[in-house]
Amino acid sequence: DAGITQSPRHKVTETGTPVTLRCHQTENHRYMYWYRQDPGHGLRLIHYSYGVKDTDKGEVSDGYSVSRSKTEDFLLTLESATSSQTSVYFCAISESLAGRPGEQFFGPGTRLTVL
Amino acid sequence: AQSVAQPEDQVNVAEGNPLTVKCTYSVSGNPYLFWYVQYPNRGLQFLLKYITGDNLVKGSYGFEAEFNKSQTSFHLKKPSALVSDSALYFCAVRVRMDSSYKLIFGSGTRLLVRP
Repeated sequence: DAGITQSPRHKVTETGTPVTLRCHQTENHRYMYWYRQDPGHGLRLIHYSYGVKDTDKGEVSDGYSVSRSKTEDFLLTLESATSSQTSVYFCAISESLAGRPGEQFFGPGTRLTVL
Repeated sequence: AQSVAQPEDQVNVAEGNPLTVKCTYSVSGNPYLFWYVQYPNRGLQFLLKYITGDNLVKGSYGFEAEFNKSQTSFHLKKPSALVSDSALYFCAVRVRMDSSYKLIFGSGTRLLVRP
């Protein structure tokens, strides 16, 4: 999985609790992304990062925040988890090719269940 | 709106027969198109991409895809299917964002290859 790990791989939590998912890469790629995968929707972008401390929103960012304090780590936080955030979360990375992102490579995913 | 459509939720094919998984897109400008495959409980794996040039793109595991600009399609093909090709396939198009690019995914097509 292209030097990408995600932790935890599985988590069950209760509504209203904070949750942080971690993505760690060993490829030194500039770009990092968080997606969620839900049946019938494919993958949808939550947030992305184009450098250390440089992040921006994707198409389904409500209820999520991110941080990237170093190149290798990209954290996704659910401030107060809701049942609608039950999903499989994927991190992806891509390198910079002539200043633009190359193809994305995905981590193994985190299955989150919010009860 | 920029989008990707995979019109078939599932494709069934017998082992040894050719397979096609359909994808159509709607983007402004020249499209950068991708195919990914997802095996159970795994992240997405990159199969192939079209950036420019030859309309027939060859990728991993014997897959290829044909870009057709007039029909705005990018169908995935393989001359002879294997049982091990059974998986979930996603088509994606790269679109420009403010600070980076993102992938817009289709909803996925499940390929089932019968022995």
